[in-house]
Amino acid sequence: NAGVMQNPRHLVRRRGQEARLRCSPMKGHSHVYWYRQLPEEGLKFMVYLQKENIIDESGMPKERFSAEFPKEGPSILRIQQVVRGDSAAYFCASSGASDSPLHFGNGTRLTVT
Amino acid sequence: KNQVEQSPQSLIILEGKNCTLQCNYTVSPFSNLRWYKQDTGRGPVSLTIMTFSENTKSNGRYTATLDADTKQSSLHITASQLSDSASYICVVSAGSNYQLIWGAGTKLIIKP
Repeated sequence: NAGVMQNPRHLVRRRGQEARLRCSPMKGHSHVYWYRQLPEEGLKFMVYLQKENIIDESGMPKERFSAEFPKEGPSILRIQQVVRGDSAAYFCASSGASDSPLHFGNGTRLTVT
Repeated sequence: KNQVEQSPQSLIILEGKNCTLQCNYTVSPFSNLRWYKQDTGRGPVSLTIMTFSENTKSNGRYTATLDADTKQSSLHITASQLSDSASYICVVSAGSNYQLIWGAGTKLIIKP
């Protein structure tokens, strides 16, 4: 499967725990984007990374959220000390260039209890 | 303020019928306009991408139109099938992929 892979598909965390969401982009893609989607709402941009660099993080909360895309391995979105309001679907997309078509994964559904 | 508005919010039609979804935008600068299909529980899938100079673009039973003067786009679905049930999202690019303005989507339900 050469598509964007996200794992886990479902993640349940208790308030105060950490959530780590992984995204492996399509083969050959070096641009990764993270989005968040609340039920019945549209996608909201969080952060854009290009191998080892954060290019734009204007949509990501300054506290508790961080993202990385290391030279080797998947991109990671980390949420520390999760709260109920963090419950959402988190989607990752990748592209071969900054303006070429986006390819999305099937998301990670985070539930905070 | 950059905005993308879609109508209707939701739509129910019978299998085999046609339908048209609308998208109005105020985005500057304008790079391209995209339509995505998002099935429940899945990530969005690209249907069409249209640049400023393109008026119409087709992808199978999906036909998108763009009027850059009035800043309107439409997505026409012909001979709908049950598998067309999904959310259809209009997205306008103001440059690069991280400068996308997302509409809230139209939820389409096809009934047998």
